[in-house]
Amino acid sequence: GAVVSQHPSWVICKSGTSVKIECRSLDFQATTMFWYRQFPKQSLMLMATSNEGSKATYEQGVEKDKFLINHASLTLSTLTVTSAHPEDSSFYICSAKGAINSPLHFGNGTRLTVT
Amino acid sequence: AQKVTQAQTEISVVEKEDVTLDCVYETRDTTYYLFWYKQPPSGELVFLIRRNSFDEQNEISGRYSWNFQKSTSSFNFTITASQVVDSAVYFCALSEEHTGGSYIPTFGRGTSLIVHP
Repeated sequence: GAVVSQHPSWVICKSGTSVKIECRSLDFQATTMFWYRQFPKQSLMLMATSNEGSKATYEQGVEKDKFLINHASLTLSTLTVTSAHPEDSSFYICSAKGAINSPLHFGNGTRLTVT
Repeated sequence: AQKVTQAQTEISVVEKEDVTLDCVYETRDTTYYLFWYKQPPSGELVFLIRRNSFDEQNEISGRYSWNFQKSTSSFNFTITASQVVDSAVYFCALSEEHTGGSYIPTFGRGTSLIVHP
């Protein structure tokens, strides 16, 4: 089945530093990838839609300068949390889809803790 | 606007009991997809099923079964003879076609299922 790899699984960083999270589709080409954020015991909130070769589309309320998304190839999208603060601590999950009507497949998520 | 309601925040059962997780959705589209995902304590999201709006056939996969009823806008999920390993948060999701054909799912708040031995 389709596999999406997300790295790292968890990261602890100091306030003010930047953190990059990678999302790779391992056995299919993903023209579209999505980044979600999940607070404890909450649902998944879509942050942005990442399209290969073009700028990401951010959901309302998501700071594009803080959450930089790059989708440089059909198998890789990255999310960089810039100048991280403790309130950015969360579980970030990426997902990818191949064919236009295929279901989303999710990465294992990245637990970010900002101290 | 699309909306998914999972009214049950947490369900606690004893192993071998049957349990049904409810999902009610709202959409104005005639073409849409419904999903169920499982999120075990480790955090990853596991795809369980996708159903399109034109297919109201119920589906059974092992101990899992799904009941899709357009008349009540519901897509309920039943686990038969629950096991401890079924303990997880289960998310129902709905996606409609957006511009460009990318179906972006909206998730319900999730139902936490706890199966006690």
